[in-house]
Amino acid sequence: NAGVTQTPKFQVLKTGQSMTLQCAQDMNHNSMYWYRQDPGMGLRLIYYSASEGTTDKGEVPNGYNVSRLNKREFSLRLESAAPSQTSVYFCASSEASSWSWQYFGPGTRLTVT
Amino acid sequence: ILNVEQSPQSLHVQEGDSTNFTCSFPSSNFYALHWYRWETAKSPEALFVMTLNGDEKKKGRISATLNTKEGYSYLYIKGSQPEDSATYLCASGWDGQNFVFGPGTRLSVLP
Repeated sequence: NAGVTQTPKFQVLKTGQSMTLQCAQDMNHNSMYWYRQDPGMGLRLIYYSASEGTTDKGEVPNGYNVSRLNKREFSLRLESAAPSQTSVYFCASSEASSWSWQYFGPGTRLTVT
Repeated sequence: ILNVEQSPQSLHVQEGDSTNFTCSFPSSNFYALHWYRWETAKSPEALFVMTLNGDEKKKGRISATLNTKEGYSYLYIKGSQPEDSATYLCASGWDGQNFVFGPGTRLSVLP
């Protein structure tokens, strides 16, 4: 099993450009999450999906959209990138809700210039 | 939004020392508390999930306790080794789904 995979690993965007970060898991997990990690701030939840077909906002959703394409895939889209979105983005999945621990992908390092 | 705090922010210990750090979270509507270990250039890996007041979990030299009434959890490392060097994150869930991570405690174990 590959676990949780993310693409791309690195990306540089110019302000105003758009892009989609892809995430897939092969563990048949119901729940999937997108986090951003900034120095000194830990992991902050952007969006999550409790099950296929549902998505909900987390702590910092502004400037992002998500799609739970199917049970395996959960994508994060930046419609108009801003320098404040420079960060490392982690996707995670878990079997169920908050009593199940999360499995994290390798992260995507995004720089917006 | 929950505020999850961790202390200390960082610490350095000598190989062989035992150490502990704290995670504090609001006790109302508590659902679950997670501990993760995060090595540099890797992804966070789960250590423990705890849900009940008084829970104690152990994995090798690492153990954790939970007090949901007063809103804190302790992580203990016995006989620290250089490979224990990492950032230790706790995360609290309050509605069955949403999570808030603390800022982490960065541990350096000096040989």
